[in-house]
Amino acid sequence: GQQVMQIPQYQHVQEGEDFTTYCNSSTTLSNIQWYKQRPGGHPVFLIQLVKSGEVKKQKRLTFQFGEAKKNSSLHITATQTTDVGTYFCAGNQGGKLIFGQGTELSVKP
Amino acid sequence: GAGVSQSPRYKVAKRGQDVALRCDPISGHVSLFWYQQALGQGPEFLTYFQNEAQLDKSGLPSDRFFAERPEGSVSTLKIQRTQQEDSAVYLCASRVLGGSTEAFFGQGTRLTVV
Repeated sequence: GQQVMQIPQYQHVQEGEDFTTYCNSSTTLSNIQWYKQRPGGHPVFLIQLVKSGEVKKQKRLTFQFGEAKKNSSLHITATQTTDVGTYFCAGNQGGKLIFGQGTELSVKP
Repeated sequence: GAGVSQSPRYKVAKRGQDVALRCDPISGHVSLFWYQQALGQGPEFLTYFQNEAQLDKSGLPSDRFFAERPEGSVSTLKIQRTQQEDSAVYLCASRVLGGSTEAFFGQGTRLTVV
């Protein structure tokens, strides 16, 4: 079945530094979604990418979908303490969402 | 309610005990998912319903796990003869229909088997 791999597992940054997490799928994806889970919370939807090569921005967050629709990335510019949490990518397979292992971001003020 | 509601929030079970976890999805959401999330891991798919039909249960770890959604709304995940390795957060999510819509998660049920 489809597998979704995410790296790195952890990232510790100083406030103001940039952060990137990468997601790779073993199969071509129809679309990919990104979620954020705060400590002690539940995953919350951030965005969905559908088209090959698509780039979307949400303030300091930039999401990319690879040309082959098998990989994706999330880049945060100038991290803030409010960015703390775990970021998951999730690929759709037959109607169900398959999550990556997540990248846990900690930000030192 | 406005969001996905799960109960109980916390459950402590003695090994061998049966448990039932409840999920109330957002009204009108056709798709409902159950995930298991161990500490420090991503949500692992357990099972998926579209209305009352269980379309995929490939993620259920053993025949001790059973899920139902008899009227296409509320769902129950039942775990029989709980074991320590069942300790995890069980997340329920719902979405309007298919693969192009966002999933809304409940707060989860933290199950601890002692």
